[in-house]
Amino acid sequence: EAQVTQNPRYLITVTGKKLTVTCSQNMNHEYMSWYRQDPGLGLRQIYYSMNVEVTDKGDVPEGYKVSRKEKRNFPLILESPSPNQTSLYFCASNKQLSYNSPLHFGNGTRLTVT
Amino acid sequence: SQQGEEDPQALSIQEGENATMNCSYKTSINNLQWYRQNSGRGLVHLILIRSNEREKHSGRLRVTLDTSKKSSSLLITASRAADTASYFCATHTGANSKLTFGKGITLSVRP
Repeated sequence: EAQVTQNPRYLITVTGKKLTVTCSQNMNHEYMSWYRQDPGLGLRQIYYSMNVEVTDKGDVPEGYKVSRKEKRNFPLILESPSPNQTSLYFCASNKQLSYNSPLHFGNGTRLTVT
Repeated sequence: SQQGEEDPQALSIQEGENATMNCSYKTSINNLQWYRQNSGRGLVHLILIRSNEREKHSGRLRVTLDTSKKSSSLLITASRAADTASYFCATHTGANSKLTFGKGITLSVRP
């Protein structure tokens, strides 16, 4: 089944403790992206990747890192999480964003930083 | 920056009625897409309309696009309780740019 898989689904951590949220897609998509969703703010893009080893900042990249060493994986890294990073995070992929094709979303990771 | 903005923010209707949701945007687009999100879950793509198209249908969904007014509407006909969800419009601009989402519309369909 074609899908985007995020792990974990829920994560509670403390300020400053490094964490990684994994994202994997099995559709051979070139484009992958991370969003965060907050009440009243909608979805905001954190980082995106057009292909392997090509990443770029979205609208709210501060406090986050990503890597794209393989086509299928696009982990989101919080080196030193803070409470304002408490949010619902989504990974998404697309064949190529320049094509007229939709984004495929993972089921989300709900992160709480205390 | 917010490109697409949906209207209304919330909509409550009776089962069987039609639901109309609007999206306005600011700059030229390549395409506009509508997504649905059930509570706390990932977004699911509903329909994509290209900038050179004016109307598209998919089952009970009808989307229109008016590039002169920079607006789009999503019509769900004969709504069902299962249509209760948040709906987002997203605009794709530029050759390789990102997809920018609006803040969403909360639709409640009462049985």
